[in-house]
Amino acid sequence: FMLTQPHSVSESPGKTVTISCTRSSGSIASNFVQWYQQRPGSSPTTVIYEDNLRPSGVPDRFSGSIDSSSNSASLTISGLRTEDEADYYCQSYDRSNPVIFGGGTRLTVL
Amino acid sequence: EVQLVESGGGLVQPGGSLRLSCVASGFMFSRSWMSWVRQAPGKGLEWVANINQDGSEKKYGDSVRGRFTISRDNAGNSLYVQMNSLRAEDTAVYYCARLGAARPDFDFWGQGTLVTVSS
Repeated sequence: FMLTQPHSVSESPGKTVTISCTRSSGSIASNFVQWYQQRPGSSPTTVIYEDNLRPSGVPDRFSGSIDSSSNSASLTISGLRTEDEADYYCQSYDRSNPVIFGGGTRLTVL
Repeated sequence: EVQLVESGGGLVQPGGSLRLSCVASGFMFSRSWMSWVRQAPGKGLEWVANINQDGSEKKYGDSVRGRFTISRDNAGNSLYVQMNSLRAEDTAVYYCARLGAARPDFDFWGQGTLVTVSS
């Protein structure tokens, strides 16, 4: 299966943005979805795991959800800050595919 | 503090071979699934391979299966990937990453090592 993300999104500081991740086949609810943030020149870090859980140290401005009706997962970032400007990747798996990454979404905070 | 430090990247000709290493510290390496993930210049993340705790189970992405071999040395806290028959499309930063013990994500990543396949 594939995970499809928008190439880019942009929003102003203080606003809320949502990045989608649509699963091409199989149910989005069947396997957990993770989200990674990758700032320029840095390695990825997890901001959401198991659909909606935040690792310690990740602010509660970051939240995750899944929607079975659209077969997609979403990452929502509220109270946008310039430091949130980064690439964001969703990731999931199934029995045949141990790791699948989405193509990534570049978030611009302007 | 968990650390993953990759090495071994460089310039190699098409058809050549390269072995990458990753030295782990700050956690029980022998109890962790480990992975290699790569990122071509300006592109997204691509999973390369996974290996289980004792090295008995290995899984590969379609684009590298049959050419790359993942391995580990638990005594030396090291992860490896042997890359053969390299192609231009294998050019990427290669990251060593740990699969979370109780989480399905990559909870720690190295800083990456760049492999360039070019004549």
